[in-house]
Amino acid sequence: QAVVTQEPSLTVSPGGTVTLTCGSSTGAVSRGHRPFWLQQKPGQAPTTLIYNVDIKHSWTPARFSGSLLGGKAALTLSGAQPEDEADYYCLLLYSGPWVFGGGTRLTVL
Amino acid sequence: EVQLVESGGGLVQPGGSLRLSCAASGFTFSNYWMKWVRQAPGKGLEWVANIKEDESEKYYVDSVKGRFTISRDNAKNSVYLQMNSLRVEDTAVYYCARDSGLDYWGQGTLVTVSS
Repeated sequence: QAVVTQEPSLTVSPGGTVTLTCGSSTGAVSRGHRPFWLQQKPGQAPTTLIYNVDIKHSWTPARFSGSLLGGKAALTLSGAQPEDEADYYCLLLYSGPWVFGGGTRLTVL
Repeated sequence: EVQLVESGGGLVQPGGSLRLSCAASGFTFSNYWMKWVRQAPGKGLEWVANIKEDESEKYYVDSVKGRFTISRDNAKNSVYLQMNSLRVEDTAVYYCARDSGLDYWGQGTLVTVSS
């Protein structure tokens, strides 16, 4: 099965902007992969922030946005808050099976 | 209110079996695909299996094919994961999720495979 790659860790300053990316071993990520972005805090179940590239759930803070960027899926956080410190996972569809990326640990510091 | 509640986890020896259940409420269960996702201790998320509304399509991660079976009972608003020939590496928290933008998740049930 395909391998989905994410940055293992990133750091952003409070109020700053950071972009997390999600690549695919099979080539460019497209809308057909229906990229998801999930947030997970310690000891909690994941929460889905973004699906189908750029669609937000009602609970997704406006400071999060999804896009396709340079052949990858991207999650941009603009105006980071301390509560955004968490693990972030992308998820891609491959004509039936789904594959998660390894996750990005985001530190707000 | 939408709720997903997993059950059936526990300690099992390698080679053993477990059946996980996910009870859904607060929505028309038969209208949604459902997923199982797992997370090994200290590790990332791993998609395990998907099932279509009418069970006509099911998909599995390669590592569980032939050992795990996903099923559902729309009359009981439940999705199941039958896990056979369990391995130490199947140790994880298992989550069910509604496959509509993955909008709702259960709190998970822990499966520990150990002798």
